[in-house]
Amino acid sequence: NAGVTQTPKFQVLKTGQSMTLQCAQDMNHNSMYWYRQDPGMGLRLIYYSASEGTTDKGEVPNGYNVSRLNKREFSLRLESAAPSQTSVYFCASSIREPPNTGELFFGEGSRLTVL
Amino acid sequence: GIQVEQSPPDLILQEGANSTLRCNFSDSVNNLQWFHQNPWGQLINLFYIPSGTKQNGRLSATTVATERYSLLYISSSQTTDSGVYFCAVMDSGNTPLVFGKGTRLSVIA
Repeated sequence: NAGVTQTPKFQVLKTGQSMTLQCAQDMNHNSMYWYRQDPGMGLRLIYYSASEGTTDKGEVPNGYNVSRLNKREFSLRLESAAPSQTSVYFCASSIREPPNTGELFFGEGSRLTVL
Repeated sequence: GIQVEQSPPDLILQEGANSTLRCNFSDSVNNLQWFHQNPWGQLINLFYIPSGTKQNGRLSATTVATERYSLLYISSSQTTDSGVYFCAVMDSGNTPLVFGKGTRLSVIA
């Protein structure tokens, strides 16, 4: 049982380049999330998808776009990478069927460096 | 939005010691979770505990929702307990989990 799988695990970009982080879950969860983690800042929500076909902004959405491709997959795109987007990115999912908001399960993270 | 504060920010323990980590939150919650981030960066669920008490081996957690805090107890600590412990909460408005900044635990042999 793979759980939440993210690719790539490491990426180095030059300023202005674009890239997409892929995330897939095999737990039949309804909700998926993208967080970024920076030193001393904890985890901050970028975007989330409460259910297939919906996406919403989180705390730090600027510079990112997302696509909920289907129930399993949720991608995060950087259209024009900036050094401030150097971070570790985590994808997560939860079942989130009201009233059960459910536990959050994380992927292993993707370390992105923008030069 | 809801605010989450964790204390202490850093903690150093000798192996075998006990510790208590605290999470305060600013509003009523319908979801509270504790996570451990190991030194390799993996985030592991420890407890889903919006209220009450749970135990799992040497770890236990208590959430007193009416007083807006949760405690994570680690007994007989081991070096493998080292890492960062995060508390995350979801308020009654069903917005996604908001994370505290974590407690960094170092257990020394």
